[in-house]
Parts: sequence; structure tokens; C-alpha cells
Amino acid sequence: GAGVSQSPRYKVAKRGQDVALRCDPISGHVSLFWYQQALGQGPEFLTYFQNEAQLDKSGLPSDRFFAERPEGSVSTLKIQRTQQEDSAVYLCASSLVWQEGHDTEAFFGQGTRLTVV
Amino acid sequence: SQKIEQNSEALNIQEGKTATLTCNYTNYSPAYLQWYRQDPGRGPVFLLLIRENEKEKRKERLKVTFDTTLKQSLFHITASQPADSATYLCALDDYNAGNNRKLIWGLGTSLAVNP
Repeated sequence: GAGVSQSPRYKVAKRGQDVALRCDPISGHVSLFWYQQALGQGPEFLTYFQNEAQLDKSGLPSDRFFAERPEGSVSTLKIQRTQQEDSAVYLCASSLVWQEGHDTEAFFGQGTRLTVV
Repeated sequence: SQKIEQNSEALNIQEGKTATLTCNYTNYSPAYLQWYRQDPGRGPVFLLLIRENEKEKRKERLKVTFDTTLKQSLFHITASQPADSATYLCALDDYNAGNNRKLIWGLGTSLAVNP
């Protein structure tokens, strides 16, 4: 596809349930990011991949959050034992590899709105 | 603590006027600052990037300034149109030598352009 695709678009989970959120980045984009956006807030960084390597996972809120990108393209964000405070929009973004002096913009998907009840 | 602040109040302006949005930051020394637009139910869309050694950057009706002494960026939309109504987010590009990148975001400013 032409842009970053995320699925599902909406997810309602019962507290304690595990969920998996999928991100299809733009073909050829080396960098992939996950962000969490609460209502009325700016996005908060969760984790960053360069190809299949997870270079930064400092933003993952707890060990219930796990992200992978095994083949360097599609990525999955998994949340185990969901809690109400996990309710948010989860945004995925991809970009070309960073090059000094170039405007390397990030392209975002529409996000997955997770509601934990 | 590290912080990014944008206009806390929503901005309402008349069509044709210039909208000016503010982004202030503390305790960062970013090499790059980016502005994004976000519409309801959509992901952010990149607008402009400005580097620490650039004072000003323009793209069509958009202009961004970056003052690293004041730790402030201003984002201007000239000849505003109702279609410019959206939330505008500023983000610092936290890039380090290890090629490890992430964006640190402000809360965003809601802009409404009235016809």
C-alpha cells in the first residue's frame, strides 16, 4: 500500500485479556516506531526498530508490553493482561534510514484505538 | 525535568488571517524540531523540519522559526483557510550518534479557522 497500515482500527478488550496490534510500514522503510497517544495528549514514544533490531524500548511502560519486527517489515505490539490505563491510541510510524542533512520525515498510520473495559 | 509546551488554549482565527503557534522547550538541546498536523481520528502528518542552525524555514503558506537561545519555535500559517483547522503538534527529534531516534512531543494546539 501507499501508506502505513495499522490493524485493527479499533479494539475493545476485557481487563486481563492479551491483545496484538499490527503495523505494516511503507515498503523499504528501515525505521519503525511505536507511540502511545492518550486522549488530548501528544504521542509518547514506546519503542524503535531499525530493520529487525529493536534499538530502543525505553518507552515501554511495563514488561506487559512487547514489540517485535522479526523480518524487518511488519511489526506487532503485544500487550499482555491489559489494564484500563492501557486504553489509548497506539500509533505506528515508519521512515527511511536517518541521513545527516536530510529531512527524514516519519509517516504515521491511522492508529489502533484500544479500549480496555 | 524535560518539557515541551505549546499554546495551552485553542486558537480561533478568522479566515485569511495569520495563525501563530508557539512551541517552547526546556532541558533539551535538540538538533531538529518538527511540526505535524493531526486531524481527529488520524495519525500525525509531517509538515516541516527545522535544524538548530536554521533560523527560518518556509513551505508554501507555512513558516517555522527556531530560536535555540530562547528555546522556542514559532509556526505560522498565512492566509489561513477553514481547511487548516486541526491540531498542530511540535516534536523534538531526539537523535543521538547511535542512530537511535525518537520524537518527543508537545500536547498540541487546536486551531480553528472560521469562514
